[in-house]
Amino acid sequence: AQSVSQHNHHVILSEAASLELGCNYSYGGTVNLFWYVQYPGQHLQLLLKYFSGDPLVKGIKGFEAEFIKSKFSFNLRKPSVQWSDTAEYFCAVSYNTDKLIFGTGTRLQVFP
Amino acid sequence: KAGVTQTPRYLIKTRGQQVTLSCSPISGHRSVSWYQQTPGQGLQFLFEYFSETQRNKGNFPGRFSGRQFSNSRSEMNVSTLELGDSALYLCASSPGVTDTQYFGPGTRLTVL
Repeated sequence: AQSVSQHNHHVILSEAASLELGCNYSYGGTVNLFWYVQYPGQHLQLLLKYFSGDPLVKGIKGFEAEFIKSKFSFNLRKPSVQWSDTAEYFCAVSYNTDKLIFGTGTRLQVFP
Repeated sequence: KAGVTQTPRYLIKTRGQQVTLSCSPISGHRSVSWYQQTPGQGLQFLFEYFSETQRNKGNFPGRFSGRQFSNSRSEMNVSTLELGDSALYLCASSPGVTDTQYFGPGTRLTVL
């Protein structure tokens, strides 16, 4: 079955630390990949997306993600997190332009 | 452009009642998708509409239904409410079916 896994459920970091959140998806054909963020009390916002082309994609607020086809992964990275990055992060995959399938989310807490 | 709007933002119902939630997509967007978000199950796809036609449906019972109007606004209805239907219901719109989805703030439904 098509599925998305986010292995880190809760991540706690200090400001200026580097961040990498894992996202793996099951094989299922052509994929479009997304990372969404949900800040406390706010709605889901798109951080970045990959449809095709350069596998290293850059998003808003200094985030980037790398699509590694051989590993079925689309990990999210940021070299130096800030307190304002505290949020829940969701990886999502669309197989063959079908509906979005979301991972279970990773809660990130950044302490000053 | 105004974002996706959802009404009402909060709703309290009792078991057995029915409820209708409304979603107005971003102007020009013709595709509307609905998701249920709960702490235990995460974000789960309910259904997707494009040009007034249901294009895709998730694994939810028939008590969950939806429709889309000619102006792309969408409604979802849940009949015979159960305690387990308590959730945040999110609507997302996109220009077309293969495009990036943009989310609204959600409707928080509490079933007592």
